[in-house]
Amino acid sequence: SQQGEEDPQALSIQEGENATMNCSYKTSINNLQWYRQNSGRGLVHLILIRSNEREKHSGRLRVTLDTSKKSSSLLITASRAADTASYFCATDSGGSNYKLTFGKGTLLTVNP
Amino acid sequence: KAGVTQTPRYLIKTRGQQVTLSCSPISGHRSVSWYQQTPGQGLQFLFEYFSETQRNKGNFPGRFSGRQFSNSRSEMNVSTLELGDSALYLCASSLDRGGSPLHFGNGTRLTVT
Repeated sequence: SQQGEEDPQALSIQEGENATMNCSYKTSINNLQWYRQNSGRGLVHLILIRSNEREKHSGRLRVTLDTSKKSSSLLITASRAADTASYFCATDSGGSNYKLTFGKGTLLTVNP
Repeated sequence: KAGVTQTPRYLIKTRGQQVTLSCSPISGHRSVSWYQQTPGQGLQFLFEYFSETQRNKGNFPGRFSGRQFSNSRSEMNVSTLELGDSALYLCASSLDRGGSPLHFGNGTRLTVT
């Protein structure tokens, strides 16, 4: 079953605009990660944020985490056509039975 | 460093057959995880191997099995294939367990007819 649920399911924007995707989860987490997947290929890790962190930046990416609301957001600034992909959040709860649980993803389309 | 390599890239099998998928992790990575991806269910965790031991298993029937070798390479096997097993099977490696980013291969696309 999915732990994270992304919102919206699909997002279409113009090049240069910002894209915001949200992720909500149900149980306490240790870490939250965001991944990107181009059509039919493997996932690429974008950023990891720990449960005691509130915000992280990496290039044009900004991730926030609100553990009280069990939610995270991924902001991509100044989007490019090459950013077109599906974006997934993934959570883990730590412990010996460690595994990453993925949401169903947001399909982002950036129109040139 | 070479990335995660999965073979074969595409596979077509008929119901009732069995299949073995292979994954070579990034050199030095000791953890290998397998995921099944379908349009309906999304990414579902199959199992994780670390130091040749299965550390965690997802909610899949016993027809799905795997193993890891001493060089960290991993295989997964699906026996008595069903139509619903058609999916993209993704392998991911990480340096260790517990919060390290996963590095994914490009997957094996399995079609069961």
